[in-house]
Amino acid sequence: DVKVTQSSRYLVKRTGEKVFLECVQDMDHENMFWYRQDPGLGLRLIYFSYDVKMKEKGDIPEGYSVSREKKERFSLILESASTNQTSMYLCASTRSVGEAFFGQGTRLTVV
Amino acid sequence: AQKITQTQPGMFVQEKEAVTLDCTYDTSDPSYGLFWYKQPSSGEMIFLIYQGSYDQQNATEGRYSLNFQKARKSANLVISASQLGDSAMYFCAMSRTGAGSYQLTFGKGTKLSVIP
Repeated sequence: DVKVTQSSRYLVKRTGEKVFLECVQDMDHENMFWYRQDPGLGLRLIYFSYDVKMKEKGDIPEGYSVSREKKERFSLILESASTNQTSMYLCASTRSVGEAFFGQGTRLTVV
Repeated sequence: AQKITQTQPGMFVQEKEAVTLDCTYDTSDPSYGLFWYKQPSSGEMIFLIYQGSYDQQNATEGRYSLNFQKARKSANLVISASQLGDSAMYFCAMSRTGAGSYQLTFGKGTKLSVIP
């Protein structure tokens, strides 16, 4: 069974903290993505990576960075968490055109 | 840039009836893919159906079919014989089909409620 696993389902962090969201896939996919989901706004792309150590900005990269040191792992980093980054974060992976597989999501609350 | 528009924030359908969820898209790419995902209240994204821009026939998967009208740039999802378990958020999405550009662009979603 194919899998994309996000390290936490729920996370509560304080303003100003550095936050790491981890995502691991076991399908040997080249492409991995981080999305943010907010009510009424759908899913918005933060960053994506199409190869190890490669990264591209999505539509809303401000306040975020990413790391992809290994093919199976794609990390989203909030350098200094702020309350407006409270959201649901979804990781996805895909080999090429076709179905993207999603993790279960991380609901992050910044207080 | 690619853009997906879903104009129905919420819809209601009677159980066992068919329902159409609207999706229009905008792109200048000649080759692209169109997707529908379902997100129940539990939060996971469930892939439903895919249509390639060069596919001649409309895609179907069980009770789901995609009404693809390329000239009108629409990719509506039709769910036949609605079930209570179909109550969820539904997202339309598209991607390019060239290497290094497989990211999905999503619409804002439609919340479907199935009434017994």
